[in-house]
Amino acid sequence: EAGVAQSPRYKIIEKRQSVAFWCNPISGHATLYWYQQILGQGPKLLIQFQNNGVVDDSQLPKDRFSAERLKGVDSTLKIQPAKLEDSAVYLCASSLDRELRSYEQYFGPGTRLTVT
Amino acid sequence: SQQGEEDPQALSIQEGENATMNCSYKTSINNLQWYRQNSGRGLVHLILIRSNEREKHSGRLRVTLDTSKKSSSLLITASRAADTASYFCASSGGSNYKLTFGKGTLLTVNP
Repeated sequence: EAGVAQSPRYKIIEKRQSVAFWCNPISGHATLYWYQQILGQGPKLLIQFQNNGVVDDSQLPKDRFSAERLKGVDSTLKIQPAKLEDSAVYLCASSLDRELRSYEQYFGPGTRLTVT
Repeated sequence: SQQGEEDPQALSIQEGENATMNCSYKTSINNLQWYRQNSGRGLVHLILIRSNEREKHSGRLRVTLDTSKKSSSLLITASRAADTASYFCASSGGSNYKLTFGKGTLLTVNP
C-alpha cells in the first residue's frame, strides 16, 4: 500500500516570500490533516479535512496560511507571506476515519521549511 | 497549545533493558495514541487505547491508561538499538477526535 506522499521534501525561502506544500493521502482515506512541527516539539494540528470539507482550522493562522482539498483527495497548504517563525516541518497525515470516528493516522515524510 | 506532557524528556538505556515513558493530559479523551518518530521512517502510529480500556499490549509494547489521573504509560520491553527514536503520546478528544501531541520523550538505546 502506498503511503502518504508529500512534496517538496525541503524548501528554503526568504521571509515575506510565499510557499506551497502538496500532499497526496492514502487512497480511500477520508480525513486529511496538516500539522506543523517545530524543532523539539510535538506536531501541532493546523487543519483537518473530512473529504473536502474543513472540520477544524482553529489553530491555522488564517492571515497567512491557507489550505484546500479539492475533490476530497490531494491537498495544498500555502503560506503567504512567510515569517521566520514558520520554519518547521510540515506534516501531512491521513486516516480512514469515516463518520469522524477516530482511527490511527498515517503520516507523510514531511516538508522541512527554512525561512531566512 | 499542546495538551500532553511526556516524562522523562530524554531516556538512555542499554539494549535488552525495559523503557517506560509516561504521559499526562488535561481534558477528557476519546482515546490516547502513541507514536514513534525517527529520521528514517518519520512519524509512525504504535498503539491506540480507548478511554474505556485500562491496558493494551502489542508485541513488545504495553500501554496503560488511568483516566482518573489523566495519565498513560508506554512500556517497551527488551529494547533494541532500533527502538532509538522520539516517542509521542497524542490525546484524541472533542467532537472531531482531534489529536493533541505532547513534546515527546527521546529514547536512546545503546548497543
